[in-house]
Amino acid sequence: EVQLVQSGGGLVQPGGSLRLSCAASGFTFSNYWMHWVRQVPGKGLVWVSHISPDGRATHYADSVKGRFTVSRDNAWNTLYLQISSLRDEDTAVYYCGRYTAPRNGMDVWGQGTTVTVSS
Amino acid sequence: DIVMTQSPLSLPVTPGEPASISCRSSQSLLHSDENNYLDWYLQKPGQSPQLLIYLGSNRASGVPDRISGSGSGTDYTLKINRVEAEDVGVYYCMQSLRAPHTFGQGTKLEIK
Repeated sequence: EVQLVQSGGGLVQPGGSLRLSCAASGFTFSNYWMHWVRQVPGKGLVWVSHISPDGRATHYADSVKGRFTVSRDNAWNTLYLQISSLRDEDTAVYYCGRYTAPRNGMDVWGQGTTVTVSS
Repeated sequence: DIVMTQSPLSLPVTPGEPASISCRSSQSLLHSDENNYLDWYLQKPGQSPQLLIYLGSNRASGVPDRISGSGSGTDYTLKINRVEAEDVGVYYCMQSLRAPHTFGQGTKLEIK
């Protein structure tokens, strides 16, 4: 079964850090662009970041640039999002997603993991 | 960044009736390869988003043919021929032409 299983969310203080994980199974992980999307409860989807299949190319939303780092370990079929210098407004559900080449949409999504930034 | 604007933001629909959602981009999403880099997603209550349409008009696997996407350039439309109870949720368009990718604000479809 093709799936993405997320972990790593939690409660963190402002200025703190957290690493989110997204474990892939059922497909050749190293062939796909992978994305992170977040959603403040009750609000809309916001694109956060993506990474190329080989990990060499990354892009970020302006709101997280310099604070978030996306990476992947193709040997372990796992995507990561290191989130640092956290702010209240980073509180959200974070989703990982598989993007089908060349531009065929984000067809597999993780279940989401909640990050709460609060003192 | 490319700004995506959806309308309406709220869409009450009677079962069996059609529904239409508009998505406009601040720049053309038509690539030189003649594809429109526009996806549609549905987020049902309490669930992760799911892909409905990619490249403007291609249905994703398992999406019923009463759901269709059209448009080119800066104007796109998602149509549902006959709304059913299972269509309830929030619909989002997203451009994948250029990073950062960007979503529309979302359109909440509810049953009257």
